[in-house]
Amino acid sequence: DQQVKQNSPSLSVQEGRISILNCDYTNSMFDYFLWYKKYPAEGPTFLISISSIKDKNEDGRFTVFLNKSAKHLSLHIVPSQPGDSAVYFCAASEGNAGKSTFGDGTTLTVKP
Amino acid sequence: ETGVTQTPRHLVMGMTNKKSLKCEQHLGHNAMYWYKQSAKKPLELMFVYNFKEQTENNSVPSRFSPECPNSSHLFLHLHTLQPEDSALYLCASSQEGYTTSNEKLFFGSGTQLSVL
Repeated sequence: DQQVKQNSPSLSVQEGRISILNCDYTNSMFDYFLWYKKYPAEGPTFLISISSIKDKNEDGRFTVFLNKSAKHLSLHIVPSQPGDSAVYFCAASEGNAGKSTFGDGTTLTVKP
Repeated sequence: ETGVTQTPRHLVMGMTNKKSLKCEQHLGHNAMYWYKQSAKKPLELMFVYNFKEQTENNSVPSRFSPECPNSSHLFLHLHTLQPEDSALYLCASSQEGYTTSNEKLFFGSGTQLSVL
């Protein structure tokens, strides 16, 4: 059973608009959540994270929201830029973020 | 120079071959990991090393044999693989890993492995 799910394989948005990527999880013991971004032919790179004691974390154009009761988190990118086009992975961990459980990824395309 | 370097980038091997994947991190981290990404599947943790000691083996078949001679280097030795082992193998490192929750992973670019 997949514990971290990203139900949208792809998302396309116009430059300047908001991109919202979603992630659901089933393990209530997860206490730390991360988003990674991956360009073709490169490894994933860390983007932003959030601890379970918070419900929002912001870093520039990127904001992650956590709804623990719904076991749902989302990544907002505002404004979206063509360089944001990549695969975005949601990850969750229980006590050790190195041992993260990853979602399948969502491919974001930002059109100029 | 990238923080985590993996070689080779691409590898094609037969089922009877023996090959090794190499990973080197230049970040001074103490934990290193092997992850596997198969087509249309999420990244799966394979092995974890903390301070050169293996702390996690995520039920990986014995045809995959990791080696961590020091905190900067990690190998994955492969032998008698199956075609279903074809995947992207990613190495990662983190500052501490074992007991720290607020960690993040630094990934290499991966080795795309094809087993014929």
